[in-house]
Amino acid sequence: DSGVTQTPKHLITATGQRVTLRCSPRSGDLSVYWYQQSLDQGLQFLIQYYNGEERAKGNILERFSAQQFPDLHSELNLSSLELGDSALYFCASSARPGGLNTEAFFGQGTRLTVV
Amino acid sequence: ILNVEQSPQSLHVQEGDSTNFTCSFPSSNFYALHWYRWETAKSPEALFVMTLNGDEKKKGRISATLNTKEGYSYLYIKGSQPEDSATYLCACPTGGFKTIFGAGTRLFVKA
Repeated sequence: DSGVTQTPKHLITATGQRVTLRCSPRSGDLSVYWYQQSLDQGLQFLIQYYNGEERAKGNILERFSAQQFPDLHSELNLSSLELGDSALYFCASSARPGGLNTEAFFGQGTRLTVV
Repeated sequence: ILNVEQSPQSLHVQEGDSTNFTCSFPSSNFYALHWYRWETAKSPEALFVMTLNGDEKKKGRISATLNTKEGYSYLYIKGSQPEDSATYLCACPTGGFKTIFGAGTRLFVKA
């Protein structure tokens, strides 16, 4: 158990809908990262927050947004969903920003299926 | 743009074989390199964090080396076991606090 909790584990929704994925980082970790793993692709970095502030942005679509709350949990909001958004979405946390020489701990992921 | 590449894409070995695979990254502006092990249906698990040129790290039968001047890291598995079957990811944090992952090497160990 990495200590990172993601909910829900599975989500099935229709095209055009909006969903929210939730992540609780390890106790004490200030950084939260969101990643997407689509079929046949590696992990794609989406966005990172540190102590409530956005720190880095990757290949995140404009239809997607995220935030980190004062209690450090984070939510990833996906809207106007398309079939191609079906993927495994991972959240990871680390103690310091950037993870330069600290490891990240991953949650179990949320599998999103858009039908 | 930082590009992290891993080779081979997949690897099939017999139980007891030793194996290795490569992670390549741009040698300029290097900060650190992370290796992760990702078993099917589980989340990636950190193996090593490497920062210095010439670093060698070991955990059981798995070890890794780092060459920051030429921009590569090797992951070695000695005496592969079926439970070593997983995807091995390497990742490089950038100076902008973003971590770039390679596509991974998928290892299959046959009993």
